[in-house]
Amino acid sequence: DTGVSQDPRHKITKRGQNVTFRCDPISEHNRLYWYRQTLGQGPEFLTYFQNEAQLEKSRLLSDRFSAERPKGSFSTLEIQRTEQGDSAMYLCASSLDYREAFFGQGTRLTVV
Amino acid sequence: ILNVEQSPQSLHVQEGDSTNFTCSFPSSNFYALHWYRWETAKSPEALFVMTLNGDEKKKGRISATLNTKEGYSYLYIKGSQPEDSATYLCAFPGGGGSYIPTFGRGTSLIVHP
Repeated sequence: DTGVSQDPRHKITKRGQNVTFRCDPISEHNRLYWYRQTLGQGPEFLTYFQNEAQLEKSRLLSDRFSAERPKGSFSTLEIQRTEQGDSAMYLCASSLDYREAFFGQGTRLTVV
Repeated sequence: ILNVEQSPQSLHVQEGDSTNFTCSFPSSNFYALHWYRWETAKSPEALFVMTLNGDEKKKGRISATLNTKEGYSYLYIKGSQPEDSATYLCAFPGGGGSYIPTFGRGTSLIVHP
């Protein structure tokens, strides 16, 4: 296993378009997290899955954001009707139970 | 919302200097404290997982201590090298039993040759 991978690495989109990001976690990890990071801030929690169940979503997360993890494997994060404020680095991480998280390299989203 | 604070926000040191930064976290319902290093264009990578009060962990020139009663952890780098330049993040898995890591803003370290 080569670690957590995310695709694409960079995405430029026009305001109002929908975008979807993919995350492939480490295969034996049961927990998967999505975070968002903007300049000068630490990673901000968006949502998390335990296997295929989405157990928690940030209260700050707009309804335009949705995530799935079918069959407890890879995960997708979709942002509908993107806004300039959505521009950020989107990080995916996975872990085995409550142990340390292993991160992907992130998807940098730019909304123009 | 859990409050995880890191200081300083950024630090510039000369090669060979020793340095340290702080992470403070809620002292109640402690489970663990994680330190990560995030180098530019790479993924954040776990450095230490601290679980016991008084814990001290070491990896090469980097070490960390933990005080769960007062809710802080220190990260020390001895004899900083340019390759230590990175953002150092701490994360506190806690809150409501879900143990979702809550991150601080990080300390950006730049080591000048």
